[in-house]
Amino acid sequence: QKEVEQDPGPLSVPEGAIVSLNCTYSNSAFQYFMWYRQYSRKGPELLMYTYSSGNKEDGRFTAQVDKSSKYISLFIRDSQPSDSATYLCALLGGKLQFGAGTQVVVTP
Amino acid sequence: SAVISQKPSRDICQRGTSLTIQCQVDSQVTMMFWYRQQPGQSLTLIATANQGSEATYESGFVIDKFPISRPNLTFSTLTVSNMSPEDSSIYLCSVEETRNSYEQYFGPGTRLTVT
Repeated sequence: QKEVEQDPGPLSVPEGAIVSLNCTYSNSAFQYFMWYRQYSRKGPELLMYTYSSGNKEDGRFTAQVDKSSKYISLFIRDSQPSDSATYLCALLGGKLQFGAGTQVVVTP
Repeated sequence: SAVISQKPSRDICQRGTSLTIQCQVDSQVTMMFWYRQQPGQSLTLIATANQGSEATYESGFVIDKFPISRPNLTFSTLTVSNMSPEDSSIYLCSVEETRNSYEQYFGPGTRLTVT
């Protein structure tokens, strides 16, 4: 079993919809939770990180962590075609462990 | 955040040869890392590049196959040695600007194809 599970998608949504992404994990030692965005043929770009259960907002992005369920989410409100990318969760407990990434396609 | 560049951006290499990938940062950073990203799979840490000492390798990766240098706080190289088609992947360097900042920033990656 992988330490971090993430549905690879693709997830296709119409412009303006809410994008909902999530990861589950098995190791309770993970302390920091991050989301990266990766455009095609580019390196991953850090979007947000948090270290506690609850919600964290940054503009149209909301990261949510539920440590008791070992479940993290990223929501993108008012999605735009420019949000089309692969989104990777990353969890830190010593070293950074990445999910496989979910491909998101926002259609105009 | 630091600006990271990698050379080459892509290459096609023959089986049995070696390729050295360079990673340059525009500021001094404490930690530099090398990752591999294979299609449909998560990023996998190859090693931590330590300035002035030998790199620290993750399980499944060895120095003979992936020698790493880090001569200063802004530069590192990763060599993929004696390549086989299974080494075809994207190789990425990343940095932590300050120790234990937990925020890693990535270079654009080097897309390697081995024929």
